[in-house]
Amino acid sequence: EPEVTQTPSHQVTQMGQEVILRCVPISNHLYFYWYRQILGQKVEFLVSFYNNEISEKSEIFDDQFSVERPDGSNFTLKIRSTKLEDSAMYFCASSDHGNRDYEQYFGPGTRLTVT
Amino acid sequence: QKEVEQNSGPLSVPEGAIASLNCTYSDRGSQSFFWYRQYSGKSPELIMFIYSNGDKEDGRFTAQLNKASQYVSLLIRDSQPSDSATYLCALRGTGRRALTFGSGTRLQVQP
Repeated sequence: EPEVTQTPSHQVTQMGQEVILRCVPISNHLYFYWYRQILGQKVEFLVSFYNNEISEKSEIFDDQFSVERPDGSNFTLKIRSTKLEDSAMYFCASSDHGNRDYEQYFGPGTRLTVT
Repeated sequence: QKEVEQNSGPLSVPEGAIASLNCTYSDRGSQSFFWYRQYSGKSPELIMFIYSNGDKEDGRFTAQLNKASQYVSLLIRDSQPSDSATYLCALRGTGRRALTFGSGTRLQVQP
């Protein structure tokens, strides 16, 4: 069964450094999303992406964050200057188009630790 | 008022029993509702979705939606120890594609 994949599974970085989290959505899906989950807290929406542009973003997704689809398969989240409070699990999700475009399937996540 | 509210639990049920998980929401315009299962340290896994008032059954799972009462529930029949996890209620709000999640209910199925 097709699934969303994410790399790396765990990223440790120092405060102020840039990180890029990578995702490969399900191949025929057209909508892509990033969510994050701080340890012990709920899953929070960051951004959605469709047709090579951001379609929706949350208050969390400020100028430190950016997303890109650099080729036909990858979808990336960049954090320019990481802060301690960026430590969280980051989940990529994707959904189909048409009648099933609201059902979002999550990848395994990248655990980001900022020291 | 929280957008999506769930009892954090834990909800403890014996193996073979019915587990009932509940969720209330504040946005009356919400249109699509989802139940995700999340094992500790893992990602959310979609198990049910419901868009219309009433019941929707899929195997051992039944989702129930009452838009007038702003209430969504998930019933798990014949609960198994492997069902022990946190169950996340999520919805798509008015005019949005983003999912808003509740904090989840932890379910423990006792063998």
